[in-house]
Order: sequence, then structure tokens, then C-alpha cells
Amino acid sequence: SQQGEEDPQALSIQEGENATMNCSYKTSINNLQWYRQNSGRGLVHLILIRSNEREKHSGRLRVTLDTSKKSSSLLITASRAADTASYFCATDAGGGGNKLTFGTGTQLKVEL
Amino acid sequence: GAVVSQHPSRVICKSGTSVKIECRSLDFQATTMFWYRQFPKQSLMLMATSNEGSKATYEQGVEKDKFLINHASLTLSTLTVTSAHPEDSSFYICSAIRTSGNYEQYFGPGTRLTVT
Repeated sequence: SQQGEEDPQALSIQEGENATMNCSYKTSINNLQWYRQNSGRGLVHLILIRSNEREKHSGRLRVTLDTSKKSSSLLITASRAADTASYFCATDAGGGGNKLTFGTGTQLKVEL
Repeated sequence: GAVVSQHPSRVICKSGTSVKIECRSLDFQATTMFWYRQFPKQSLMLMATSNEGSKATYEQGVEKDKFLINHASLTLSTLTVTSAHPEDSSFYICSAIRTSGNYEQYFGPGTRLTVT
């Protein structure tokens, strides 16, 4: 299956700044999820937004979804060095099976 | 809750040998587990869907005779890489969905396979 694309591929910011990552996908979806992965480790689920939702918040995270443009964004506010990781969006196209299609990922580096 | 473990975390094997990787849901039952592979600095690619008590469903381009999957119980799925070659070196990650729940996937910590 085709993957979505994320941009930027890499992002370097200073601690305290906001980080915005974008995800585009190709097919209709049931929901879109964001995950975080520290280098060489497994994935941590951050947030899920359903196709009928436009915006969702969780702590310092804000996710938006525009199904007409087939795109989503993840905003991390007041970033910390500990936020340094790769971030992936993943889409669930529905239809049963709960299969996820992952985007290409954004490598975020937050510097002190 | 919802912890998924993988064993081993790292394995080095010689070309031509087979390697088994285990994925366990520690505190929940999982009818469905997924196996992914990830190359360095790349995204996760779904390899197959593992269903308890039935044959796995493989994604297009994944050789089912090379990547054997067994989901013998509601808490354990295994992936066996048969006759491994250096190009099979990768990071293999599993995930599991609760039998009863919101269908969120819980990911294991991954297994780094190096074939020499």
C-alpha cells in the first residue's frame, strides 16, 4: 500500500519553540494517528483523531485533520529536549482489519 | 496496561540460518497482531497480519515462505525469518490489538536483526 508523506523530513528547533509537522495521505480514512519513536525503539501512541473530527488536543500536542485536503498536522508546543524523536502519522482506512499505513516520518531535534 | 514485549531485542545470525522473534501481549489478549519491518531512518512497512488460530495474511511483496508467522495463542505471535540473508537485516516491530477494546495498536519495542 502507498504511504503518506510527511514534511518536513527533519526539523531542528530550540527548546521552548513550537514544532509543527505535516502529514498527507492518499485514501479516505477512518482515523489518523500520530506516533513517536525514539531512536532504535518501539512506537508510542500519541493521539488519534477520527475522520469526523477537525482538531484534538492532548497536553502540549495539538492535532488537526483536513479530510478535504487529506492532510493532518501535529503541533508540539513549548518543546523540550526530551521531545527529540521521530514522529509518524498513520492512517486507518477502515474496512475492517485495523491495518495502519505509516507516513515517512519527521525527525525532530530539540536543542537546548 | 497494554504492554507488548518482543524477544529477543537484538539478534545476530549467519546467512542461511533461521531466526525466531516472539511478540507477546503481557497484560491483555490479542486476537490480532501485526508485524512490521523498518529500515534505518525509514518508516514502518506492514509485513503481515497475524490472527490467532488462523493463517497470517501477508502484504503484497512479502514472501510467506520466508517469513513464517504463527499466532498460536491470544498472547503470542512468532515471526521466523527462514534462511536469512544480509538483506533481511532490519528492525522488526510487532503490534497487538486488544480482543476487547478500542482497536488501538500497542507496539512492541522492536527486534534488531543483523544477518552476517
